Amino acid sequence: DAGVIQSPRHEVTEMGQEVTLRCKPISGHDYLFWYRQTMMRGLELLIYFNNNVPIDDSGMPEDRFSAKMPNASFSTLKIQPSEPRDSAVYFCASGTSGQETQYFGPGTRLLVL
Amino acid sequence: DAKTTQPPSMDCAEGRAANLPCNHSTISGNEYVYWYRQIHSQGPQYIIHGLKNNETNEMASLIITEDRKSSTLILPHATLRDTAVYYCIVRPSLLTQGGSEKLVFGKGTKLTVNP
Repeated sequence: DAGVIQSPRHEVTEMGQEVTLRCKPISGHDYLFWYRQTMMRGLELLIYFNNNVPIDDSGMPEDRFSAKMPNASFSTLKIQPSEPRDSAVYFCASGTSGQETQYFGPGTRLLVL
Repeated sequence: DAKTTQPPSMDCAEGRAANLPCNHSTISGNEYVYWYRQIHSQGPQYIIHGLKNNETNEMASLIITEDRKSSTLILPHATLRDTAVYYCIVRPSLLTQGGSEKLVFGKGTKLTVNP
């Protein structure tokens, strides 16, 4: 099992540019989570999906952020336009009904200049 | 907001047991105690969870007090690779009414295992 796959692993962009982060969950998992981690705020849940449907997006900071899950094996988190305060590590995690655990990917380190 | 309180940092000698405490005095009857850890530059990793009975797996043991207001994660023989931030989280079980998939992470305990 390859685990949760995220791409890119590192992203450096300039303020105002669009950023797209990608996630491939573990095969067979029906839950997908997007988290953001910063020194100031720690690890925060942004949004999560169940069976490709967004369940709770209350953690999404503002309209510049959007997330989609077009199918069970792929999700994107988009920031448009990006700002320096969006610099963080973004983690994707997946899980399955009946299990109490979430499996995290290696994260995408985003730096917005 | 996180419902747990953990010491910000702890040290442990390699080969010795590491005992990480967690206070969760407002825990509800249907809430489990979960432990995750995050090794530097990696995503969080599940360790163990429990309701009221002590639990043990290949990674660690979880001791929950009888009143469930606190717990201790035990790494029986800590190694240098156990150096990480350890998060204690309380959350309703998915198998109970009101169960939630959401994990709310606090600041955790930075455990440093010294040679």
